[in-house]
Amino acid sequence: DTAVSQTPKYLVTQMGNDKSIKCEQNLGHDTMYWYKQDSKKFLKIMFSYNNKELIINETVPNRFSPKSPDKAHLNLHINSLELGDSAVYFCASSPTPGQGPQISYEQYFGPGTRLTVT
Amino acid sequence: TQLLEQSPQFLSIQEGENLTVYCNSSSVFSSLQWYRQEPGEGPVLLVTVVTGGEVKKLKRLTFQFGDARKDSSLHITAAQPGDTGLYLCAGGYSGAGSYQLTFGKGTKLSVIP
Repeated sequence: DTAVSQTPKYLVTQMGNDKSIKCEQNLGHDTMYWYKQDSKKFLKIMFSYNNKELIINETVPNRFSPKSPDKAHLNLHINSLELGDSAVYFCASSPTPGQGPQISYEQYFGPGTRLTVT
Repeated sequence: TQLLEQSPQFLSIQEGENLTVYCNSSSVFSSLQWYRQEPGEGPVLLVTVVTGGEVKKLKRLTFQFGDARKDSSLHITAAQPGDTGLYLCAGGYSGAGSYQLTFGKGTKLSVIP
């Protein structure tokens, strides 16, 4: 009964390839996120989706394209992978304002996908 | 962009010692959350504080939100090896039509038996 799951856990690929990471949450949340954690452990927001609609798109190369087929899934597709894309990518979900407790909107994270580009 | 400065970046202490981790910003947040991350796993929420001056306790962990809601601290009493991990603070605020979190850079804690 995992709350937020991601696949794959590890992904090793060569520069120039295209790859996807999948995320699913069974918490009934309306909002989902993708974060990138670099080698220094800094966690930075990439995208946020609310009810399948993009609401945050930080400065991320357009080689990264999130797709949300339904509100329980948010996948991340990466084109033309580069060495600098190597990192751990985390999916997260949270209640939407009005859906849960006010103000806090705690985020629940998946286990992460370690992407290594060679 | 809201920024959070977290210190210290690394902390190595003996079992039984006390420690404090700080999270500071020039920005006001509507909430401050603390997460702990174990190697190979995602961050797990420890606590959320929402009111200026609020103090929350979780066993040996004490969390405080600054009066002005710009800073927070995490104090651990009598640290145990099981407390080892990466501690992340995250400030919550409304922006770009949504509720966002900005994370500090983390404090890597090692508790030596």
